[in-house]
Amino acid sequence: EAGVAQSPRYKIIEKRQSVAFWCNPISGHATLYWYQQILGQGPKLLIQFQNNGVVDDSQLPKDRFSAERLKGVDSTLKIQPAKLEDSAVYLCASSYGGFSNEKLFFGSGTQLSVL
Amino acid sequence: AQKVTQAQTEISVVEKEDVTLDCVYETRDTTYYLFWYKQPPSGELVFLIRRNSFDEQNEISGRYSWNFQKSTSSFNFTITASQVVDSAVYFCALSEARFNNDMRFGAGTRLTVKP
Repeated sequence: EAGVAQSPRYKIIEKRQSVAFWCNPISGHATLYWYQQILGQGPKLLIQFQNNGVVDDSQLPKDRFSAERLKGVDSTLKIQPAKLEDSAVYLCASSYGGFSNEKLFFGSGTQLSVL
Repeated sequence: AQKVTQAQTEISVVEKEDVTLDCVYETRDTTYYLFWYKQPPSGELVFLIRRNSFDEQNEISGRYSWNFQKSTSSFNFTITASQVVDSAVYFCALSEARFNNDMRFGAGTRLTVKP
């Protein structure tokens, strides 16, 4: 069974530039999550999709971050413009139904460095 | 809101030693779920175990064991006879019982097992 796929693996940009990350969840998983993991911290949820609808984006900095999952499968997370404090690993995860007792399956993440 | 504390930032042991990783949580809900994930150097978080708040039975799986105590709000993880391959960052996480899976992670404990 294929796992959660993410690309790119690494990205280096200058502040005020834009960047996009892509995620393809496990086939059949209705729920997709984007997490931000700052060095030395645990992952923090940015946004959760159920199929192509947003369930929770309360911690997404909406002035610069946006995400979409148009066909209910793969998803794109964008940052525009990037700030130095956005340097982090961006993890995508998926689960079957999105219920609180479900384990999450994670991708390897995209490591973003903002210079 | 729920909170997870992993007071141990880094632990270093020599191979074959036993090691316990501590996790303390806070929640106002009576129904909740606790998780442990492992993050090896490759980056993806890997699910290890899940416990619901009504099941305080401790579990042993091979070299791994978990001690869940509601009285002290703790969910500790022990590796017996540690191996070099156990070196990773370990995260404890808490999810409260609601539709959307707002899983909150601790800051993680970096375990280094030396040969």
